[in-house]
Amino acid sequence: GAGVSQTPSNKVTEKGKYVELRCDPISGHTALYWYRQSLGQGPEFLIYFQGTGAADDSGLPNDRFFAVRPEGSVSTLKIQRTERGDSAVYLCASSYGLAGPQGDTQYFGPGTRLTVL
Amino acid sequence: EDKVVQSPLSLVVHEGDTVTLNCSYEVTNFRSLLWYKQEKKAPTFLFMLTSSGIEKKSGRLSSILDKKELFSILNITATQTGDSAIYLCAVLNYGGSQGNLIFGKGTKLSVKP
Repeated sequence: GAGVSQTPSNKVTEKGKYVELRCDPISGHTALYWYRQSLGQGPEFLIYFQGTGAADDSGLPNDRFFAVRPEGSVSTLKIQRTERGDSAVYLCASSYGLAGPQGDTQYFGPGTRLTVL
Repeated sequence: EDKVVQSPLSLVVHEGDTVTLNCSYEVTNFRSLLWYKQEKKAPTFLFMLTSSGIEKKSGRLSSILDKKELFSILNITATQTGDSAIYLCAVLNYGGSQGNLIFGKGTKLSVKP
């Protein structure tokens, strides 16, 4: 079946603009995660959804970042008033979200490379 | 503070060599440890380890976890140029129902022909 998909693959914007990044998880996966990866670093957790609700948003850096998952499938990460420091690859992952080890494996999408000029 | 440390950060070998990548962790609510291979942007899942001393194997790749000493190793035998990638180690931080992955910085492996 299809893996995690993310759009756009690349996004170039100007400082101060608003951007939306989309993630379509693997069908049947109830858990969805957003991570951010800067050059030379491992991915850093931003937010995790179980179904429609944000179960943990402790990784969001500030209130310019917001994410939604209104129907429990597709998720959108929204960044307001973008800053140059927001430039990174934004990765989305999904998992079964079961209360057992098989639900632990997170499968990643190809990411969106965001460049803020 | 929870952290995952990988070593070495980069490694250059020749085809046919065997390599060992290291991952140590300090995580309050450990649930499992995962290895990923990242070639371009998407990390690709390799292994998930939950129990000490049980080796997971897939072709030329194998991995093992030591929960007492808080580390894992990833071995690659008879390396090929296609093994060149960044290898990421991550620990699942289990809080509540499901948790987030805490990643190391990765080991960049370059395999020369």
